[in-house]
Amino acid sequence: NAGVMQNPRHLVRRRGQEARLRCSPMKGHSHVYWYRQLPEEGLKFMVYLQKENIIDESGMPKERFSAEFPKEGPSILRIQQVVRGDSAAYFCASSPYEGLQPQHFGDGTRLSIL
Amino acid sequence: GENVEQHPSTLSVQEGDSAVIKCTYSDSASNYFPWYKQELGKRPQLIIDIRSNVGEKKDQRIAVTLNKTAKHFSLHITETQPEDSAVYFCAASKRVGGADGLTFGKGTHLIIQP
Repeated sequence: NAGVMQNPRHLVRRRGQEARLRCSPMKGHSHVYWYRQLPEEGLKFMVYLQKENIIDESGMPKERFSAEFPKEGPSILRIQQVVRGDSAAYFCASSPYEGLQPQHFGDGTRLSIL
Repeated sequence: GENVEQHPSTLSVQEGDSAVIKCTYSDSASNYFPWYKQELGKRPQLIIDIRSNVGEKKDQRIAVTLNKTAKHFSLHITETQPEDSAVYFCAASKRVGGADGLTFGKGTHLIIQP
């Protein structure tokens, strides 16, 4: 049973470019969560999605960041016009179904902004 | 919103001794408390979790205790081994309509001295 799959593992972008991070949840999981981890810090919740629905985006920056989880395919975290401060590890987690934790994490995408 | 405080930030213990990491939370509605272990450059891995209707839970050398009145919970690792060296994160969540984003502490760097 494959775990949470994230790609790419490493992504380098220049300031002003767009970054797209992908996450495929564990088989049978319908809830996806995105977290950001800055160096030497804990994980910060960004957004919680179910298929075709954003449930909670209270942790998402108001500008440049968006997320989707389409009916088919992986969840996408999109960062437009990246800046140096966007450099971080972005982790995706998934959980089985409503009301039941736990969340299992992917290996993350390390985003570096030149 | 929820705030999770974690102490200590660094903990060094002799191999074979016990390690205790403590967390407090602010939102009395929180009722799910997982602990994650993260090795350098790796994903956070769930090691144990506890729900608010339980005061203590054990899994081999790992135990977690929860005091809902005082709003704190602790991770106990007995007979520590070199492979226990990692960063440990506590987290809390409340179920608003189901699963939701986790609020993490800032982590404890556990060092096991041979």
